Amino acid sequence: QLQLQESGPGLVKPSETLSLTCTVSGGSISNSNYYWGWIRQPPGKGLEWIGRIYYSGSTYYNPSLKSRVTISVDTSNNQFSLKLSSVTAADTAVYYCARVGSGSYAFDIWGQGTMVTVSS
Amino acid sequence: QAGLTQPPSVSKGLRQTATLTCTGNSNNVGNQGAVWLQQHQGHPPKLLSYRNNNRPSGISERLSASRSGNTASLTITGLQPEDEADYYCSAWDSSLSAWVFGGGTKLTVL
Repeated sequence: QLQLQESGPGLVKPSETLSLTCTVSGGSISNSNYYWGWIRQPPGKGLEWIGRIYYSGSTYYNPSLKSRVTISVDTSNNQFSLKLSSVTAADTAVYYCARVGSGSYAFDIWGQGTMVTVSS
Repeated sequence: QAGLTQPPSVSKGLRQTATLTCTGNSNNVGNQGAVWLQQHQGHPPKLLSYRNNNRPSGISERLSASRSGNTASLTITGLQPEDEADYYCSAWDSSLSAWVFGGGTKLTVL
């Protein structure tokens, strides 16, 4: 059964870069039927889509975050990563990685999420 | 970024029927249909329905989704205590080339 697991620092200083990795197990990230995405959820608030990547490396980003976001894929290690630059307290959130069906456009498998706090 | 509109809260009694709505526009819900997610406190979201009424395996038949124009709906019949959760809709927006989410509806089962 396919599983996703987020990893990375839980605390990031303001103005620095947040870096997270999502490791895919039980299946291949190179499966052409899926995209791989990042979604975040500030404490007590709703979900916000950050961006997604295909195994080929093609990306789409949330227009409101596009200038600060980079998502990359490492097919050899079955991982994809998120970098968010110039973070502020507003970027404090639980960050989820998820699999998205390329035909269904459905977020069908989610990681457990990782809490990232932006604070000095 | 334009989002989808969901009522913040819905309350229904045990064994009653709840209908949650999600309104977008012709570029998102009206085009690709909506995806519905359920989230219990402290847990990641769980896919309930996609492409309007396709349910992943293991999802209760008490849940059904539909769409009319730019509004998607999720109907839950025979409400149970475990249905109490936050429900989010999402859709791909072809004009933004981005996924958009609704603000979520908190369903309370009385």
